[in-house]
Amino acid sequence: KAGVTQTPRYLIKTRGQQVTLSCSPISGHRSVSWYQQTPGQGLQFLFEYFSETQRNKGNFPGRFSGRQFSNSRSEMNVSTLELGDSALYLCASSLGAPGMNTEAFFGQGTRLTVV
Amino acid sequence: TQLLEQSPQFLSIQEGENLTVYCNSSSVFSSLQWYRQEPGEGPVLLVTVVTGGEVKKLKRLTFQFGDARKDSSLHITAAQPGDTGLYLCARGGGNKLTFGTGTQLKVEL
Repeated sequence: KAGVTQTPRYLIKTRGQQVTLSCSPISGHRSVSWYQQTPGQGLQFLFEYFSETQRNKGNFPGRFSGRQFSNSRSEMNVSTLELGDSALYLCASSLGAPGMNTEAFFGQGTRLTVV
Repeated sequence: TQLLEQSPQFLSIQEGENLTVYCNSSSVFSSLQWYRQEPGEGPVLLVTVVTGGEVKKLKRLTFQFGDARKDSSLHITAAQPGDTGLYLCARGGGNKLTFGTGTQLKVEL
């Protein structure tokens, strides 16, 4: 079966702009999470969605937001981009509801560069 | 924030050598996962350990969960170039994971 699909794979934006990243989970998976990976901070949890509702949120400013659609596809948005937002953004999907220890499957990520 | 510290941060070895990667925390966790991330890819789950003192083997990889459930180790026997990648430990479940600082492993011919 198809894995987690993230689009686009690469993106270059200018400071101050906004960006939207997309994630299509594995078919049947209803839980989607987003992570930010940088050399300095490592892999950090952004937020988790289940059944179109945000269930958990990491320690990131309000410029970072997301949503989930009825087909479980998810988008995340970053407004007023800063140079420090340059990172690999990873999406993960899992079968279970929040709190259940089901395996998370990661996409290949979107490499965002802010110039 | 309950940090997961991994050591070493970087490791460069020759094919055939053995190595151990460590993951430590100041707090107890109910379970711990190990992932490997290759360049241009997302992390892939290798194993989940849940019981203190548990040892799991995956071919040449041996994972151990500390008795007090505050630490874990990953031992690779006879490393191969295909083992190259970023090794990450993580706590939490499902889709809300807290990752360790990572160990970047390079295995050269």
